[in-house]
Amino acid sequence: KNEVEQSPQNLTAQEGEFITINCSYSVGISALHWLQQHPGGGIVSLFMLSSGKKKHGRLIATINIQEKHSSLHITASHPRDSAVYICAVMEYGNKLVFGAGTILRVKS
Amino acid sequence: DGGITQSPKYLFRKEGQNVTLSCEQNLNHDAMYWYRQDPGQGLRLIYYSQIVNDFQKGDIAEGYSVSREKKESFPLTVTSAQKNPTAFYLCATLRTGNYGYTFGSGTRLTVV
Repeated sequence: KNEVEQSPQNLTAQEGEFITINCSYSVGISALHWLQQHPGGGIVSLFMLSSGKKKHGRLIATINIQEKHSSLHITASHPRDSAVYICAVMEYGNKLVFGAGTILRVKS
Repeated sequence: DGGITQSPKYLFRKEGQNVTLSCEQNLNHDAMYWYRQDPGQGLRLIYYSQIVNDFQKGDIAEGYSVSREKKESFPLTVTSAQKNPTAFYLCATLRTGNYGYTFGSGTRLTVV
């Protein structure tokens, strides 16, 4: 079993829909990153969080340390949100372990 | 603005040739990392360096080499011994303390 599991693996949504991507992990962590990777490969860091909730524009990230779970929400989704979303956890000792990613496609 | 520069974004090489990927940072972060991404898999650690002139193998170091002669630079050489070099390569840095990672934008290497 992978240390970091993301769900769903693939997600297709209609423009305007509310989207949730989930990340579950099995180890103790000091922080968690959400990354966005567009077609062509460039990586953009969206959030780093160790507790609670963060919001940036239409993106919201939450984490529940006790349940070892994080979610990334996209409100009012748009075709330009189409990308791969990657969860990465920072284990104690700073080792970074990545999920396999969620491929999101938003149709207009 | 401080950040990580990976160049080029796309790189093509012939099979059997060594190729060096560049990673430069002006963040003054001590630790630097190289990851590899294959389709459908999470990024995996190739090499990392926590201080100048020192580096350690990650989970998939075979066929790769690195150097850390100065704090700002951590180049990765993909050697001809790497059996499947075509992949996406990501460089990252870590600031000491609970500040999290900073990520480069990546280099997509295609070997033909």
